[in-house]
Amino acid sequence: DAGVIQSPRHEVTEMGQEVTLRCKPISGHNSLFWYRQTMMRGLELLIYFNNNVPIDDSGMPEDRFSAKMPNASFSTLKIQPSEPRDSAVYFCASSLSVHSTDTQYFGPGTRLTVL
Amino acid sequence: DQQVKQNSPSLSVQEGRISILNCDYTNSMFDYFLWYKKYPAEGPTFLISISSIKDKNEDGRFTVFLNKSAKHLSLHIVPSQPGDSAVYFCAASASGTYKYIFGTGTRLKVLA
Repeated sequence: DAGVIQSPRHEVTEMGQEVTLRCKPISGHNSLFWYRQTMMRGLELLIYFNNNVPIDDSGMPEDRFSAKMPNASFSTLKIQPSEPRDSAVYFCASSLSVHSTDTQYFGPGTRLTVL
Repeated sequence: DQQVKQNSPSLSVQEGRISILNCDYTNSMFDYFLWYKKYPAEGPTFLISISSIKDKNEDGRFTVFLNKSAKHLSLHIVPSQPGDSAVYFCAASASGTYKYIFGTGTRLKVLA
């Protein structure tokens, strides 16, 4: 079975450019999460979708960040304009439902470098 | 304010010995705890979990212990193997929520 798929795996861009990260959750999973990993803060939840609807975006750092889930099999995280402090690894995860006991399965991540 | 803390950023253990990774939490509402393992250039993978109604959960070489009064959990790996070398994240959540709060991770190195 395919796991969570993320693209690109690596992204290098210049400050001010728009960046779009993509995620395909596991088929049949109803919940999707975007996380950011940094050395200082570890894994932080950015936004959570349930049945394609954004439920909690309180972790989104600024208005420069936006996320969409147009259908059950695709989500994007966009940063515009990007800044050097956005450099991090961004993970997408999916789970069967909203219950915390339903394991979240992570994708391989996108390593973003903003110069 | 870090609600889940892993105070040891790294740990080295000899192959065959026990590895003990520790995690502390501050929120008394947390009642479900997990450990994830992460290899370089891969996403975190689920390892083991424990509900607050238990104080121990075992899966093969991996055992998680929960001390609710101390708000502390630990992951024991016995015996440790070189393939266990990875970053281990502790996570916690509260009933009725979907949110996992992660610690900053502990890098385990198992020496052959």
